[in-house]
Amino acid sequence: NAGVTQTPKFRVLKTGQSMTLLCAQDMNHEYMYWYRQDPGMGLRLIHYSVGEGTTAKGEVPDGYNVSRLKKQNFLLGLESAAPSQTSVYFCASSWKDTQYFGPGTRLTVL
Amino acid sequence: AQSVAQPEDQVNVAEGNPLTVKCTYSVSGNPYLFWYVQYPNRGLQFLLKYITGDNLVKGSYGFEAEFNKSQTSFHLKKPSALVSDSALYFCAVRDGGAGSYQLTFGKGTKLSVIP
Repeated sequence: NAGVTQTPKFRVLKTGQSMTLLCAQDMNHEYMYWYRQDPGMGLRLIHYSVGEGTTAKGEVPDGYNVSRLKKQNFLLGLESAAPSQTSVYFCASSWKDTQYFGPGTRLTVL
Repeated sequence: AQSVAQPEDQVNVAEGNPLTVKCTYSVSGNPYLFWYVQYPNRGLQFLLKYITGDNLVKGSYGFEAEFNKSQTSFHLKKPSALVSDSALYFCAVRDGGAGSYQLTFGKGTKLSVIP
C-alpha cells in the first residue's frame, strides 16, 4: 500500500498562475481533506470531501477549488495564485477518526 | 465551535527524563481527542486518540495521554524521552456529536530531546 501520495512535492509559481495539486489514496477511504500548514499556525482545513462527487468548504477555502471525481483522488486547484498561498499543503484521508496524511507539497508563489 | 490550545511553542527535555506536552480543548459536545506527530519534512502521523472509556490512553512509540474532563485537558506524556522523539506534536479535537469527522488542530509544540 502506498497510502496517501501527493503530486508534485515542490512547485514555484508566479503570481497569477494556476496549478492543480493531486492527492491519491489506495485505502478506499470515503473522507479526504486538504490542509495548509504555515509556521506558528498549525494545520488549517481548506476543503474536504465525504465521498466521491461531494466537496465542502473548510476553515480557509478562499482562492482554492477542489474536485473529487473518483473516490481515490482529491484535487486542489489554485486558479490565480497569490503570495499569501505560499505554504505547505497536506492531503489526508480518513477511516472513522484516524487521518492518514500524505508527505506534503511545498508551494512558493513569487 | 471547537478549538484546541497548545500553550507551549517549544518543550525541551533531557534524554531519559519524562516528558509532557500540554493540550487544552473546547468543544460543545463530547470531545474526541487526538495526538499527531510530524517529523521534519514529513506528513503527520497518528499517535493516539481518546473517544470514550479509560482516561489514560496508550499509543504508538510508548506515548500516552490523559483525558481530564474537569480541566478540559489532554496532555501527552512519555516516561522516558528519546532523542528520536524530537519532532512537532499536534493536538486535535472534534465534536463527537457532530456529523462530520472534521478535526481542529492546535498550532503545534516543538519537542526537543537533548542528549
